[in-house]
Amino acid sequence: EPEVTQTPSHQVTQMGQEVILRCVPISNHLYFYWYRQILGQKVEFLVSFYNNEISEKSEIFDDQFSVERPDGSNFTLKIRSTKLEDSAMYFCASSGGTPWQETQYFGPGTRLLVL
Amino acid sequence: DQQVKQNSPSLSVQEGRISILNCDYTNSMFDYFLWYKKYPAEGPTFLISISSIKDKNEDGRFTVFLNKSAKHLSLHIVPSQPGDSAVYFCAARTNSGYSTLTFGKGTMLLVSP
Repeated sequence: EPEVTQTPSHQVTQMGQEVILRCVPISNHLYFYWYRQILGQKVEFLVSFYNNEISEKSEIFDDQFSVERPDGSNFTLKIRSTKLEDSAMYFCASSGGTPWQETQYFGPGTRLLVL
Repeated sequence: DQQVKQNSPSLSVQEGRISILNCDYTNSMFDYFLWYKKYPAEGPTFLISISSIKDKNEDGRFTVFLNKSAKHLSLHIVPSQPGDSAVYFCAARTNSGYSTLTFGKGTMLLVSP
């Protein structure tokens, strides 16, 4: 069964450093998403991506964040200068031909710890 | 800003009995609802969904009920199994072009043998 994969599973970084989180969405999906879950809190939407551009982003997704689909398979989230409060689980998700009435499938997540 | 609320942080049920997980929402623009299950250190796994044009959707042991007038949905698991022990998230979306999911805080279900 196709699945979303994410690397690395864990990332520890120093405050102010750049991190890149990687995702390989399900191969025939067209819509891609990043969510995060801070420990003890709910899963929060960050950004959605379609046709090589951001289609929607939340207030959390400020100028320190960027997304890219550098090739036909990878979807990346970059945090330019990490802050302590960026520590969270980051989930990538993808969905198929239409963004509505379509299920989003999630990857296993990357646990980011900013020291 | 809690547009999707899961007011029970946890629920304990005995194996074989029914588990009922509840979810309330405030945004009347939501028209598609999903339940995800999450084990520790894993991503949310899709379970079942329901469109606002329906009031019930069933898939094996899982049934989701939607009461639009009350802005309430529930997930029934019958019979509950120990492997169902996980955190269950209710999520909702609007029918907009690139609709994102709004999640509740989750309910931890513990099914004991």
